[in-house]
Amino acid sequence: DGGITQSPKYLFRKEGQNVTLSCEQNLNHDAMYWYRQDPGQGLRLIYYSQIVNDFQKGDIAEGYSVSREKKESFPLTVTSAQKNPTAFYLCASSIDAGTDTQYFGPGTRLTVL
Amino acid sequence: AQTVTQSQPEMSVQEAETVTLSCTYDTSENNYYLFWYKQPPSRQMILVIRQEAYKQQNATENRFSVNFQKAAKSFSLKISDSQLGDTAMYFCAFMVTGNMLTFGGGTRLMVKP
Repeated sequence: DGGITQSPKYLFRKEGQNVTLSCEQNLNHDAMYWYRQDPGQGLRLIYYSQIVNDFQKGDIAEGYSVSREKKESFPLTVTSAQKNPTAFYLCASSIDAGTDTQYFGPGTRLTVL
Repeated sequence: AQTVTQSQPEMSVQEAETVTLSCTYDTSENNYYLFWYKQPPSRQMILVIRQEAYKQQNATENRFSVNFQKAAKSFSLKISDSQLGDTAMYFCAFMVTGNMLTFGGGTRLMVKP
């Protein structure tokens, strides 16, 4: 089945630690995205990538980093510099950026202890 | 910058009845796309419907239809024959060609038996 997978579903981190969230897609999409969702709010764009080995900052990139070494994979690292990392993180992909529908993974809930 | 406003934080509807969710947006662009996404308790974002701004005909998907008023910058979602499984957060989203998605704050819909 084609789709987007995110792992783990729940993640706990101690303050001061970096943590990496996984996002994989087998839809052959060129573009991938990371969003953050806080309780009762909409989605805010963290980073996006339109093609392998290229990525751009979104609205709230501070404290986060990404890589895009393979078309299928777009991992997100939440660094210790992120002041308030507890949130729900959603990964999405689309055939291309800026014209096509984005499809979402199931999300990862990150809690900082 | 584009903005998307959903003025109804919460709504409820009786099973089998019809409900309309409101969305307005602000842009000076002429070519863009509009979306409604559903986020059930599982928290996965699911595409409900998509509308291209250049199309005058309102999009429909089974029980879901939109009322797209380009001049008024309004994009409401009508759900007919509401079902218990329609209970979810609904997000309106907007994308200018070549740009990223902008989400509204969401409307929580409760379908009552």
